[in-house]
Amino acid sequence: AQSVAQPEDQVNVAEGNPLTVKCTYSVSGNPYLFWYVQYPNRGLQFLLKYITGDNLVKGSYGFEAEFNKSQTSFHLKKPSALVSDSALYFCAVRDLGNRRGFKTIFGAGTRLFVKA
Amino acid sequence: GAVVSQHPSRVICKSGTSVKIECRSLDFQATTMFWYRQFPKQSLMLMATSNEGSKATYEQGVEKDKFLINHASLTLSTLTVTSAHPEDSSFYICSALRGTGDEKLFFGSGTQLSVL
Repeated sequence: AQSVAQPEDQVNVAEGNPLTVKCTYSVSGNPYLFWYVQYPNRGLQFLLKYITGDNLVKGSYGFEAEFNKSQTSFHLKKPSALVSDSALYFCAVRDLGNRRGFKTIFGAGTRLFVKA
Repeated sequence: GAVVSQHPSRVICKSGTSVKIECRSLDFQATTMFWYRQFPKQSLMLMATSNEGSKATYEQGVEKDKFLINHASLTLSTLTVTSAHPEDSSFYICSALRGTGDEKLFFGSGTQLSVL
């Protein structure tokens, strides 16, 4: 069965410092991995995805994520955090081996708080 | 970019009444749409997968007679909460799959349902 774990409810980081939001997953087949961000009073927005290829994926707003197959992780990173990055971040996985194909499971979410 | 419109954004209803939430893909056709429920503690829970022209597939523990889903066209899916109760109060989010190869999910802005 598919599952996604975001072990941290909240991540606090000072502006200008690097940030990492952790995500681990479990699928029976090959994973299709995503990060989404939810700003206050707004809908979810796509940040980046991994299907295949380079393990380091670059996305919107300077974010990147590293796919690690051996650790079944897909941590979200940014070299220098901004106060405006403060939001709720969701990791998601789709199991390409799943017959239905498109069911996407989300992690519980991690709230990122960037302090000026 | 692709736009998904979800309406209404907020609804307050009396216990026992039914509420319909609409999800429209405005500039693309979506053969598959998803309905999620977001609990106060952040997690997004997949409720059902809606496929155009066929019955929705519900996740385990989701009452299909309680949460009626209709995907009558390639651009519209509706979720009807029947005989709503206070415990149904939650934030409901729809998403649509744009099958042009990138297979990103596009999300509506959500509906806050409050049942009195």
